[in-house]
Amino acid sequence: EAQVTQNPRYLITVTGKKLTVTCSQNMNHEYMSWYRQDPGLGLRQIYYSMNVEVTDKGDVPEGYKVSRKEKRNFPLILESPSPNQTSLYFCASSPALLGGGYEQYFGPGTRLTVT
Amino acid sequence: AQSVTQLDSHVSVSEGTPVLLRCNYSSSYSPSLFWYVQHPNKGLQLLLKYTSAATLVKGINGFEAEFKKSETSFHLTKPSAHMSDAAEYFCVVAGGYQKVTFGTGTKLQVIP
Repeated sequence: EAQVTQNPRYLITVTGKKLTVTCSQNMNHEYMSWYRQDPGLGLRQIYYSMNVEVTDKGDVPEGYKVSRKEKRNFPLILESPSPNQTSLYFCASSPALLGGGYEQYFGPGTRLTVT
Repeated sequence: AQSVTQLDSHVSVSEGTPVLLRCNYSSSYSPSLFWYVQHPNKGLQLLLKYTSAATLVKGINGFEAEFKKSETSFHLTKPSAHMSDAAEYFCVVAGGYQKVTFGTGTKLQVIP
């Protein structure tokens, strides 16, 4: 089944404790992206990647890191999480560059709470 | 630069009446536009997309949207609301530099 998977789905952690949220897609998509969703703000793009070893900042990259060493994986790293990073996170992938109208396929989301 | 404005944060309609969810965008490029739906505690599902082929776009579950370049709008409509349409709807623009911008969402309530 074609899908985007994220792990973990739920995570409660403490301030400053490094964590990684994994994202994997099995569709051989080139484009991958991370978003955070907060009430009243919609989804905001954190980072995106157009291919292996090619990443770029979205609108809210502060406090996050990403890497794209393999085409299928795009982990999101919070090196020193803070309470303002408490949010619902979505990973997404797309077969090609978005300007061509290709839709994104979203993972199920990861609910992160930082205390 | 690009932006999306969803003009209503909440819309309430009676079952069987038309739905109109409004979206205005700005983009320095010829954009691709999308509508996604998110049901409570669920992920995001594509309703429809505009990619410069036709200005009237048909999507799933009876939804449509019309791209109006002169008005920079991409409003979502449905002739007759169903209870299962109650959800949050997001208008999305994708353009230059591969950035994606979501609107802040419109919550649709359907009253029986």
